[in-house]
Amino acid sequence: EPEVTQTPSHQVTQMGQEVILRCVPISNHLYFYWYRQILGQKVEFLVSFYNNEISEKSEIFDDQFSVERPDGSNFTLKIRSTKLEDSAMYFCASSRWATGLYGYTFGSGTRLTVV
Amino acid sequence: SQKIEQNSEALNIQEGKTATLTCNYTNYSPAYLQWYRQDPGRGPVFLLLIRENEKEKRKERLKVTFDTTLKQSLFHITASQPADSATYLCALTGDNFNKFYFGSGTKLNVKP
Repeated sequence: EPEVTQTPSHQVTQMGQEVILRCVPISNHLYFYWYRQILGQKVEFLVSFYNNEISEKSEIFDDQFSVERPDGSNFTLKIRSTKLEDSAMYFCASSRWATGLYGYTFGSGTRLTVV
Repeated sequence: SQKIEQNSEALNIQEGKTATLTCNYTNYSPAYLQWYRQDPGRGPVFLLLIRENEKEKRKERLKVTFDTTLKQSLFHITASQPADSATYLCALTGDNFNKFYFGSGTKLNVKP
């Protein structure tokens, strides 16, 4: 069964530092997403990405956030200057179809702890 | 803004019984509704998708209904097993397929 791979599984960083969360989506998928889940809260949409550009972003995804697909396999989320409230589980997801007709495939997540 | 409600109380049922989970929504007209399973510390796993013009969808022991008049989806697991114990999330999208809105999930405990 193909998987979405995320690294690292856990990252601890100091407030104000930059972090890069990495994802390897499923190879024949075309649509890529980042979601996050603060402990005990809902899974929240951050950004969607297709054809090397952002399709949509939420109000959470401000200037401190950026995404990139630097090569044919990796999809990264960068937070430039982390805040305490950025502490959450970050999930990468991918799908073959625009409508998510067969669902999204999520990775196991990166737990980001900002201290 | 749209509101998606799932029962925040855990659902406890006996093995072999049918579990029924509810997803209600307001201020929204979703084109698609998905159900996911989430285990602690893991990402959501896709289970089923149902479109607004479909009343019911089945997959093995799972059944989803979608009532756009009531603004409600029901998710059923028949012949439940302890391995079905997890949190179940519903997620909705409108005509903009670029993002889904998730409910907060309902925890299901199936006791042997």
